Amino acid sequence: GQNIDQPTEMTATEGAIVQINCTYQTSGFNGLFWYQQHAGEAPTFLSYNVLDGLEEKGRFSSFLSRSKGYSYLLLKELQMKDSASYLCAVRPGTYKYIFGTGTRLKVLA
Amino acid sequence: DVKVTQSSRYLVKRTGEKVFLECVQDMDHENMFWYRQDPGLGLRLIYFSYDVKMKEKGDIPEGYSVSREKKERFSLILESASTNQTSMYLCASGQGGQETQYFGPGTRLLVL
Repeated sequence: GQNIDQPTEMTATEGAIVQINCTYQTSGFNGLFWYQQHAGEAPTFLSYNVLDGLEEKGRFSSFLSRSKGYSYLLLKELQMKDSASYLCAVRPGTYKYIFGTGTRLKVLA
Repeated sequence: DVKVTQSSRYLVKRTGEKVFLECVQDMDHENMFWYRQDPGLGLRLIYFSYDVKMKEKGDIPEGYSVSREKKERFSLILESASTNQTSMYLCASGQGGQETQYFGPGTRLLVL
């Protein structure tokens, strides 16, 4: 079967760094995506990894290890507005995406 | 900016009714998707389409059908709504490759 695992919930303090992990087992691999979803809103795209290594975009970075079936999203200098769910998704083939159940991040003052 | 719109934000229907959810994208994307999102289950793919008049089943197609007569429009149909179809429905479109998919605002459907 195809499976994506992420922690259900995390809590961190404003200004801190948090790492959200994602492990996957899929029939193929054609890219890994991270999305942010605020309560009651649609997911919005954060990052894309298809090769091993780190991709950095401002306060957000995403890392991929294809051999380990592992990715993480790193959020630096946390702000209150970063309180949201973070979704990890893998595209095993050409079209379909498989999503994890999401990690709900609470940022405390 | 990519825009994906859905016909309704909130919808209340009765069991047995036929329900149409419409999605329109303005970026000439080849691929369009319908998901439902439920607490603890995440986003699950119902159907997708990679071209006009083409459709493929996703992971949970039972009780649903779709229509794509024009490139920009992808409709989800609940032939006979049931209470277990109460959910948030999200449409997305994308071009594939390195491009992500872009989501519409979602339709929260309640079936009584």
